[in-house]
Amino acid sequence: NAGVTQTPKFRVLKTGQSMTLLCAQDMNHEYMYWYRQDPGMGLRLIHYSVGEGTTAKGEVPDGYNVSRLKKQNFLLGLESAAPSQTSVYFCASSPDRSSGANVLTFGAGSRLTVL
Amino acid sequence: GQQVMQIPQYQHVQEGEDFTTYCNSSTTLSNIQWYKQRPGGHPVFLIQLVKSGEVKKQKRLTFQFGEAKKNSSLHITATQTTDVGTYFCAGPGGGSQGNLIFGKGTKLSVKP
Repeated sequence: NAGVTQTPKFRVLKTGQSMTLLCAQDMNHEYMYWYRQDPGMGLRLIHYSVGEGTTAKGEVPDGYNVSRLKKQNFLLGLESAAPSQTSVYFCASSPDRSSGANVLTFGAGSRLTVL
Repeated sequence: GQQVMQIPQYQHVQEGEDFTTYCNSSTTLSNIQWYKQRPGGHPVFLIQLVKSGEVKKQKRLTFQFGEAKKNSSLHITATQTTDVGTYFCAGPGGGSQGNLIFGKGTKLSVKP
Protein backbone atom coordinates (compact mmCIF):
# COMPACT_ATOMS: atom_id res chain seq x y z
CA ASN A 1 0.00 0.00 0.00
CA ALA A 2 1.96 2.99 -1.32
CA GLY A 3 -0.47 5.74 -0.22
CA VAL A 4 0.10 8.89 -2.26
CA THR A 5 2.86 8.84 -4.88
CA GLN A 6 4.13 11.92 -6.69
CA THR A 7 6.27 11.97 -9.80
CA PRO A 8 8.72 13.41 -10.52
CA LYS A 9 10.40 14.20 -7.20
CA PHE A 10 12.64 16.87 -8.70
CA ARG A 11 12.49 18.88 -11.89
CA VAL A 12 14.27 21.88 -13.33
CA LEU A 13 12.52 23.86 -16.03
CA LYS A 14 13.32 26.90 -18.10
CA THR A 15 10.91 29.80 -18.18
CA GLY A 16 8.15 29.14 -20.69
CA GLN A 17 8.45 25.35 -20.66
CA SER A 18 5.51 23.17 -19.79
CA MET A 19 5.30 20.15 -17.56
CA THR A 20 2.90 17.90 -15.70
CA LEU A 21 3.15 16.62 -12.15
CA LEU A 22 1.44 13.31 -11.53
CA CYS A 23 -0.19 12.25 -8.30
CA ALA A 24 -1.48 8.73 -7.76
CA GLN A 25 -3.26 7.31 -4.71
CA ASP A 26 -4.21 3.72 -4.00
CA MET A 27 -6.56 4.30 -1.05
CA ASN A 28 -9.73 4.78 -3.11
CA HIS A 29 -10.02 8.34 -1.79
CA GLU A 30 -12.61 10.65 -3.30
CA TYR A 31 -10.85 13.96 -2.70
CA MET A 32 -7.47 15.00 -4.04
CA TYR A 33 -5.52 18.22 -3.67
CA TRP A 34 -2.50 20.09 -4.95
CA TYR A 35 -0.72 22.45 -2.58
CA ARG A 36 2.42 24.51 -3.01
CA GLN A 37 4.77 25.26 -0.16
CA ASP A 38 7.05 28.28 -0.11
CA PRO A 39 9.23 29.53 2.77
CA GLY A 40 7.16 31.52 5.25
CA MET A 41 3.95 30.97 3.27
CA GLY A 42 2.82 27.64 4.59
CA LEU A 43 0.75 25.38 2.37
CA ARG A 44 -1.40 27.10 -0.21
CA LEU A 45 -4.13 25.24 -2.05
CA ILE A 46 -3.83 25.41 -5.83
CA HIS A 47 -6.66 23.18 -7.04
CA TYR A 48 -8.60 20.31 -5.63
CA SER A 49 -11.06 17.65 -6.74
CA VAL A 50 -14.00 16.13 -4.90
CA GLY A 51 -14.40 13.26 -7.31
CA GLU A 52 -13.48 11.77 -10.66
CA GLY A 53 -14.11 14.25 -13.45
CA THR A 54 -14.43 17.26 -11.12
CA THR A 55 -11.99 20.01 -10.24
CA ALA A 56 -12.18 23.28 -8.32
CA LYS A 57 -9.95 26.29 -7.78
CA GLY A 58 -8.14 26.84 -4.51
CA GLU A 59 -6.34 29.90 -3.16
CA VAL A 60 -3.67 30.25 -5.86
CA PRO A 61 -4.91 28.62 -9.10
CA ASP A 62 -3.48 31.04 -11.66
CA GLY A 63 -0.89 29.53 -14.01
CA TYR A 64 -1.95 25.96 -13.24
CA ASN A 65 -4.41 23.49 -14.69
CA VAL A 66 -5.53 20.15 -13.33
CA SER A 67 -7.35 17.06 -14.49
CA ARG A 68 -8.92 14.12 -12.67
CA LEU A 69 -9.79 11.68 -15.45
CA LYS A 70 -9.36 8.68 -13.18
CA LYS A 71 -10.26 8.51 -9.51
CA GLN A 72 -6.78 7.48 -8.48
CA ASN A 73 -4.89 10.16 -10.43
CA PHE A 74 -4.72 13.93 -10.15
CA LEU A 75 -2.52 15.79 -12.62
CA LEU A 76 -1.14 19.29 -12.15
CA GLY A 77 -0.03 21.08 -15.30
CA LEU A 78 2.06 24.16 -15.88
CA GLU A 79 1.52 25.40 -19.43
CA SER A 80 4.19 28.11 -19.39
CA ALA A 81 6.41 27.90 -16.32
CA ALA A 82 7.53 31.09 -14.57
CA PRO A 83 10.22 31.59 -11.89
CA SER A 84 7.44 32.45 -9.42
CA GLN A 85 6.31 28.83 -9.72
CA THR A 86 9.54 27.59 -8.17
CA SER A 87 8.25 25.73 -5.14
CA VAL A 88 7.69 22.40 -3.48
CA TYR A 89 4.42 20.87 -4.61
CA PHE A 90 2.48 18.48 -2.42
CA CYS A 91 -0.35 16.28 -3.51
CA ALA A 92 -2.80 14.97 -0.92
CA SER A 93 -5.91 12.85 -0.83
CA SER A 94 -8.71 12.23 1.63
CA PRO A 95 -11.86 10.14 1.94
CA ASP A 96 -15.13 11.98 1.39
CA ARG A 97 -16.71 13.75 4.36
CA SER A 98 -19.33 11.06 4.83
CA SER A 99 -16.59 9.03 6.50
CA GLY A 100 -16.46 11.63 9.25
CA ALA A 101 -13.11 13.33 8.82
CA ASN A 102 -11.53 15.07 5.88
CA VAL A 103 -8.07 13.89 6.91
CA LEU A 104 -5.37 14.43 4.32
CA THR A 105 -2.66 11.96 3.40
CA PHE A 106 0.22 13.72 1.68
CA GLY A 107 2.71 12.58 -0.89
CA ALA A 108 6.43 13.10 -0.43
CA GLY A 109 6.49 16.26 -2.53
CA SER A 110 7.89 17.41 -5.86
CA ARG A 111 10.54 20.10 -5.90
CA LEU A 112 10.26 22.28 -9.00
CA THR A 113 12.79 24.92 -9.99
CA VAL A 114 12.07 27.32 -12.84
CA LEU A 115 15.10 29.17 -14.20
CA GLY B 1 -12.12 34.67 1.90
CA GLN B 2 -11.69 32.47 4.90
CA GLN B 3 -8.29 32.79 6.57
CA VAL B 4 -6.45 30.74 9.13
CA MET B 5 -3.81 32.67 11.04
CA GLN B 6 -1.13 30.94 13.07
CA ILE B 7 1.35 32.34 15.59
CA PRO B 8 4.18 32.41 16.30
CA GLN B 9 5.91 31.81 12.99
CA TYR B 10 9.04 30.50 14.72
CA GLN B 11 9.78 29.22 18.19
CA HIS B 12 13.15 28.23 19.60
CA VAL B 13 13.14 26.36 22.88
CA GLN B 14 15.56 24.55 25.12
CA GLU B 15 14.88 20.84 25.39
CA GLY B 16 12.52 20.29 28.30
CA GLU B 17 10.72 23.62 27.92
CA ASP B 18 7.08 23.81 26.92
CA PHE B 19 5.83 25.05 23.55
CA THR B 20 2.50 26.43 22.38
CA THR B 21 1.25 27.43 18.94
CA TYR B 22 -2.02 29.24 18.33
CA CYS B 23 -4.41 29.17 15.42
CA ASN B 24 -7.17 31.70 14.72
CA SER B 25 -9.82 31.71 12.05
CA SER B 26 -11.74 34.65 10.65
CA THR B 27 -14.87 32.49 10.59
CA THR B 28 -16.39 29.75 12.71
CA LEU B 29 -14.95 26.36 11.83
CA SER B 30 -16.84 23.09 11.74
CA ASN B 31 -13.60 21.36 12.66
CA ILE B 32 -9.88 22.01 12.85
CA GLN B 33 -6.98 19.71 12.10
CA TRP B 34 -3.33 19.74 13.11
CA TYR B 35 -0.43 18.43 11.05
CA LYS B 36 3.29 18.07 11.68
CA GLN B 37 5.97 18.35 9.03
CA ARG B 38 9.48 17.17 9.89
CA PRO B 39 12.38 18.97 8.16
CA GLY B 40 12.57 17.76 4.57
CA GLY B 41 9.39 15.74 4.96
CA HIS B 42 5.73 16.03 4.19
CA PRO B 43 2.84 17.05 6.49
CA VAL B 44 1.46 14.23 8.60
CA PHE B 45 -1.95 14.34 10.24
CA LEU B 46 -1.93 14.57 14.04
CA ILE B 47 -5.49 15.15 15.18
CA GLN B 48 -8.91 16.61 14.38
CA LEU B 49 -11.08 18.60 16.78
CA VAL B 50 -14.78 18.95 16.14
CA LYS B 51 -16.63 19.98 19.29
CA SER B 52 -16.70 23.41 20.92
CA GLY B 53 -14.26 23.49 23.85
CA GLU B 54 -12.84 20.09 22.95
CA VAL B 55 -9.52 19.05 24.47
CA LYS B 56 -7.55 16.05 23.24
CA LYS B 57 -4.22 14.69 24.38
CA GLN B 58 -1.59 12.62 22.65
CA LYS B 59 1.17 11.85 25.15
CA ARG B 60 2.91 15.22 25.67
CA LEU B 61 0.73 17.03 23.11
CA THR B 62 -2.50 18.78 24.15
CA PHE B 63 -4.89 20.16 21.55
CA GLN B 64 -7.73 22.56 22.31
CA PHE B 65 -10.62 23.91 20.25
CA GLY B 66 -12.08 27.19 21.42
CA GLU B 67 -15.61 27.60 22.70
CA ALA B 68 -16.52 29.76 19.71
CA LYS B 69 -14.82 27.30 17.32
CA LYS B 70 -12.70 30.10 15.87
CA ASN B 71 -9.41 29.32 17.56
CA SER B 72 -7.27 26.38 18.55
CA SER B 73 -3.99 25.65 20.24
CA LEU B 74 -1.36 22.95 20.40
CA HIS B 75 0.71 22.68 23.55
CA ILE B 76 3.74 20.43 23.92
CA THR B 77 4.96 19.70 27.42
CA ALA B 78 8.67 19.16 28.02
CA THR B 79 9.81 19.34 24.41
CA GLN B 80 12.22 16.78 23.02
CA THR B 81 14.47 16.97 19.96
CA THR B 82 12.05 14.63 18.20
CA ASP B 83 9.43 17.42 18.35
CA VAL B 84 11.40 19.52 15.86
CA GLY B 85 9.39 20.46 12.80
CA THR B 86 6.64 22.74 11.56
CA TYR B 87 3.16 22.46 13.02
CA PHE B 88 0.21 23.46 10.87
CA CYS B 89 -3.44 23.96 11.68
CA ALA B 90 -6.00 23.58 8.93
CA GLY B 91 -9.69 24.26 8.61
CA PRO B 92 -12.45 23.98 6.02
CA GLY B 93 -12.10 26.75 3.50
CA GLY B 94 -15.73 27.26 2.72
CA GLY B 95 -17.31 26.94 -0.66
CA SER B 96 -17.61 23.40 -1.89
CA GLN B 97 -16.78 20.64 0.53
CA GLY B 98 -13.26 19.31 0.44
CA ASN B 99 -11.54 22.70 0.48
CA LEU B 100 -8.99 22.69 3.33
CA ILE B 101 -7.02 25.83 4.18
CA PHE B 102 -3.77 25.71 6.12
CA GLY B 103 -2.22 28.25 8.44
CA LYS B 104 1.35 29.32 7.69
CA GLY B 105 2.69 27.05 10.39
CA THR B 106 4.91 27.39 13.44
CA LYS B 107 8.45 26.15 13.01
CA LEU B 108 9.76 24.65 16.23
CA SER B 109 13.43 24.16 16.89
CA VAL B 110 14.67 22.44 20.05
CA LYS B 111 18.13 22.98 21.44
CA PRO B 112 19.46 19.92 23.25
